[in-house]
Amino acid sequence: DQQVKQNSPSLSVQEGRISILNCDYTNSMFDYFLWYKKYPAEGPTFLISISSIKDKNEDGRFTVFLNKSAKHLSLHIVPSQPGDSAVYFCAAGGGAQKLVFGQGTRLTINP
Amino acid sequence: DTAVSQTPKYLVTQMGNDKSIKCEQNLGHDTMYWYKQDSKKFLKIMFSYNNKELIINETVPNRFSPKSPDKAHLNLHINSLELGDSAVYFCASSQGLGEWGPLHFGNGTRLTVT
Repeated sequence: DQQVKQNSPSLSVQEGRISILNCDYTNSMFDYFLWYKKYPAEGPTFLISISSIKDKNEDGRFTVFLNKSAKHLSLHIVPSQPGDSAVYFCAAGGGAQKLVFGQGTRLTINP
Repeated sequence: DTAVSQTPKYLVTQMGNDKSIKCEQNLGHDTMYWYKQDSKKFLKIMFSYNNKELIINETVPNRFSPKSPDKAHLNLHINSLELGDSAVYFCASSQGLGEWGPLHFGNGTRLTVT
């Protein structure tokens, strides 16, 4: 049973536009959420996080939104740049001291 | 300097062999992990160690044995390799347990069992 799901395996966005990546979770015990970015042949690198006491966290071009009632979070990137092309993983944690990852969404930014 | 380094980057071997993957972190973190990225691309935790002590041991065949000689190193030994073990294995570290500071990942080891 996969507790964190990213239902879009890929997303293509034009440079300069907004990219929106989505993530759903099922476990209401999760209280901390993170987004990671992964380039080919590299490990995931941390991008931004949010705790369950907030519904929004912003860091430059990146904003994460959390909707606890819907058990949904999203990552907004604006404006999108070619260097943002990567695979994005959402992850959730809480209680069990381990992070549960989604399967990733491949974002492609087109010039 | 690489923060979390794992070797080898690629590993191709035959069924039934025994192999090891090494991991070292120079971040001074207390906790280290092994994650497996399977064919469906999910990253799943296998083990975590805190100060050389095993904390998390997910449902992993006992052919997989982690070893942490010190808190900067966490190696993964796999006995009697099977085709289904083919995956990318990531080592990671974090500052401490229960602290949701980010995990720092190595670049992965792609294991192919033929």
